[in-house]
Amino acid sequence: GENVEQHPSTLSVQEGDSAVIKCTYSDSASNYFPWYKQELGKRPQLIIDIRSNVGEKKDQRIAVTLNKTAKHFSLHITETQPEDSAVYFCAASMIKAAGNKLTFGGGTRVLVKP
Amino acid sequence: NAGVTQTPKFRILKIGQSMTLQCAQDMNHNYMYWYRQDPGMGLKLIYYSVGAGITDKGEVPNGYNVSRSTTEDFPLRLELAAPSQTSVYFCASSYPQGATEAFFGQGTRLTVV
Repeated sequence: GENVEQHPSTLSVQEGDSAVIKCTYSDSASNYFPWYKQELGKRPQLIIDIRSNVGEKKDQRIAVTLNKTAKHFSLHITETQPEDSAVYFCAASMIKAAGNKLTFGGGTRVLVKP
Repeated sequence: NAGVTQTPKFRILKIGQSMTLQCAQDMNHNYMYWYRQDPGMGLKLIYYSVGAGITDKGEVPNGYNVSRSTTEDFPLRLELAAPSQTSVYFCASSYPQGATEAFFGQGTRLTVV
């Protein structure tokens, strides 16, 4: 089955700096890569996603890049703010009729220091 | 619109007890999922369903059972609870087909002592 590795496990940045989280996946058939943000004690919520036919996607201060050849994708957060402090999870799945099952990475705890 | 609702939010079980975690969604989603999240870890898929009457195992199904009699409800049953099942359980749902967002419930924090 699919295996997703996520690095780093913790990331501390100064407010205003950029944060980058990297994930690798094992199944070349995976074609959908979402990123979820989970605040302490809350549910995971989708912040951005990318399909395998796109190399980069941006939404305000967050962007995701995908390298299908190398089987890795990354989340970039620019101009970090204290409210960006949370745990971020990458995931991968293969979209098909039998269910869009997500395989998650282990998570990255991001701390933005004011 | 309530989205995905899980009950209970917290529960303490003794070893060997059984319980059912409830999950309901009001978005008419065909796909539903159960994940568990151990402390400091990512989410692992327990079971999933692509529609009423259809369920299948995920990555970590041992010790659990599910049923899907309606589109709205997807309960997770724990039989003979063990300390290894101490975790936070999340139910999620999504539209069928395509790259669409999985909506998560607020989670059930289960402790087995």
